[in-house]
Amino acid sequence: SAVISQKPSRDICQRGTSLTIQCQVDSQVTMMFWYRQQPGQSLTLIATANQGSEATYESGFVIDKFPISRPNLTFSTLTVSNMSPEDSSIYLCSVEKGVDYGYTFGSGTRLTVV
Amino acid sequence: GDSVTQMEGPVTLSEEAFLTINCTYTATGYPSLFWYVQYPGEGLQLLLKATKADDKGSNKGFEATYRKETTSFHLEKGSVQVSDSAVYFCALSERDSSYKLIFGSGTRLLVRP
Repeated sequence: SAVISQKPSRDICQRGTSLTIQCQVDSQVTMMFWYRQQPGQSLTLIATANQGSEATYESGFVIDKFPISRPNLTFSTLTVSNMSPEDSSIYLCSVEKGVDYGYTFGSGTRLTVV
Repeated sequence: GDSVTQMEGPVTLSEEAFLTINCTYTATGYPSLFWYVQYPGEGLQLLLKATKADDKGSNKGFEATYRKETTSFHLEKGSVQVSDSAVYFCALSERDSSYKLIFGSGTRLLVRP
């Protein structure tokens, strides 16, 4: 299965600012996914990041708030823009390497907005 | 749309008790099914999976069988340990063009010595 490096692991940010989260995979993958896990909640898919095209966003998430880059097959970034305390969550990236391996997740970025 | 429903927690058991966490799903096609575990303060780990009907996934003493007729994928373990205390998530992927992974709400398990 893939190994994912995600950073930063945690951050405390001021409201109104932006944070960019990086996700690096040790092998080439077609699809990368970004999830949000609000405190005590399950995981919600934000968007699917495709190399060479715009990300596909889920209902309730928009590009202006969560811009995503996917410059190559091993790397992606998620930016949380104009943050408010409601954005305090764990953000995780994930990749899918094939039916035999399932989906692998990064260790997550714990974001606190004050 | 596709969805996953899990039994609500927390589930509190004594060590060596039998565990069942119920999971049912709604899907338009033939999804792959997964159980993920999140230990306190840690990331999400794949526990087991099944890709077609009647498949049994197993790992670390946990088992789950893909039951298409009842659209279920219940997680079981014969004898739980304190170290199994975690949050367990059932999930599905349709493996259509989107390859999205859809999660249930999660079930917190607390095992007491």
